[in-house]
Amino acid sequence: AQRVTQPEKLLSVFKGAPVELKCNYSYSGSPELFWYVQYSRQRLQLLLRHISRESIKGFTADLNKGETSFHLKKPFAQEEDSAMYYCALRYSGNTPLVFGKGTRLSVIA
Amino acid sequence: NAGVTQTPKFQVLKTGQSMTLQCAQDMNHNSMYWYRQDPGMGLRLIYYSASEGTTDKGEVPNGYNVSRLNKREFSLRLESAAPSQTSVYFCASRKGTGNSYEQYFGPGTRLTVT
Repeated sequence: AQRVTQPEKLLSVFKGAPVELKCNYSYSGSPELFWYVQYSRQRLQLLLRHISRESIKGFTADLNKGETSFHLKKPFAQEEDSAMYYCALRYSGNTPLVFGKGTRLSVIA
Repeated sequence: NAGVTQTPKFQVLKTGQSMTLQCAQDMNHNSMYWYRQDPGMGLRLIYYSASEGTTDKGEVPNGYNVSRLNKREFSLRLESAAPSQTSVYFCASRKGTGNSYEQYFGPGTRLTVT
């Protein structure tokens, strides 16, 4: 079965420090990987997807097929980055997203 | 465009009561989904509808039924609510199957079963 693992429930960092939210997946094929973010009292929204290879709000994520990882990184954390972050996988075409359990990022001033 | 809308926003039920959660999207999307969000469990798929006229079970379908009423609307029904169904429910939709199609979420319904 396809699985997404986010090993940290909570990650606390100081403002200006680097951030890395870990995500590992188990799937033998070529998945689509995503990061979704949920700010306090807001709906989930797409942060970035591996296929776009873009940087959103200073965040980047690289798909490492050898390590089956898709870690989310930002060099300098901001207070407004505090939120719940979910890694998600889609293994083909029109199949639903499979989500990890999420990591709550807390950026301390 | 309102995007994905859900009603109600909050609901309290007693064990054994029934209710229907409503979801609608105005983006002409083909696929719609229901997830539940629980602390420490992330989002788990309950049911989904890949296209109008089809529905499929997700990871946690027991205790729920769904209806894809038309292309816009996808409802989730709890026939006999149980405390284990206390959760935040999210509806989502997606236009198509290509890599460029994003999954959009509604604001959620917070359900408490006592």
